[in-house]
Amino acid sequence: AQKITQTQPGMFVQEKEAVTLDCTYDTSDPSYGLFWYKQPSSGEMIFLIYQGSYDQQNATEGRYSLNFQKARKSANLVISASQLGDSAMYFCAEWDSNYQLIWGAGTKLIIKP
Amino acid sequence: DGGITQSPKYLFRKEGQNVTLSCEQNLNHDAMYWYRQDPGQGLRLIYYSQIVNDFQKGDIAEGYSVSREKKESFPLTVTSAQKNPTAFYLCASSIDEGVYGYTFGSGTRLTVV
Repeated sequence: AQKITQTQPGMFVQEKEAVTLDCTYDTSDPSYGLFWYKQPSSGEMIFLIYQGSYDQQNATEGRYSLNFQKARKSANLVISASQLGDSAMYFCAEWDSNYQLIWGAGTKLIIKP
Repeated sequence: DGGITQSPKYLFRKEGQNVTLSCEQNLNHDAMYWYRQDPGQGLRLIYYSQIVNDFQKGDIAEGYSVSREKKESFPLTVTSAQKNPTAFYLCASSIDEGVYGYTFGSGTRLTVV
């Protein structure tokens, strides 16, 4: 069965520093997509970034970028110049031909002033 | 603005009662999903529906029921058979099978009293 692993239950990062959140996945499907979502304390899930398995370049969206290493089945989220508002839970998820998103357990990120 | 509306935001239930959580979307999305989230954990799929009048069980469907009579609406009923219903419930929708990701509602926090 597919599995998403986020090895960092929690992280503290100083404001304005860059932060990398780890995500590894396990799928045998050649076609898949990888997503990162942010969940602030209010509860809603906010889409951050998407990487397709056939994309040649790493995805970027503003301060977010995805370090996609296909051979290692790794899809780490990089947040540059962190801000206090980045404090939240972050979830990695994988979509494949089973038509469902498989979710990691999440990483709680706290940005220190 | 298009989006997903979940109501109520907070819900209290006495043991033995059925309760229904509302989820409405005006995005014209075909697929809709219900997830359960427990503290410090990722999302677990309860039910999903890819088309009106059809729905499929997810990983933890026992004690829950759904209907999809209209494209815009996907209510979730938490029945008395659900032994541990206290959790945060998220509704989501997607174009087609979700290859472009999901849009989420703001969630309903259910507490059994």
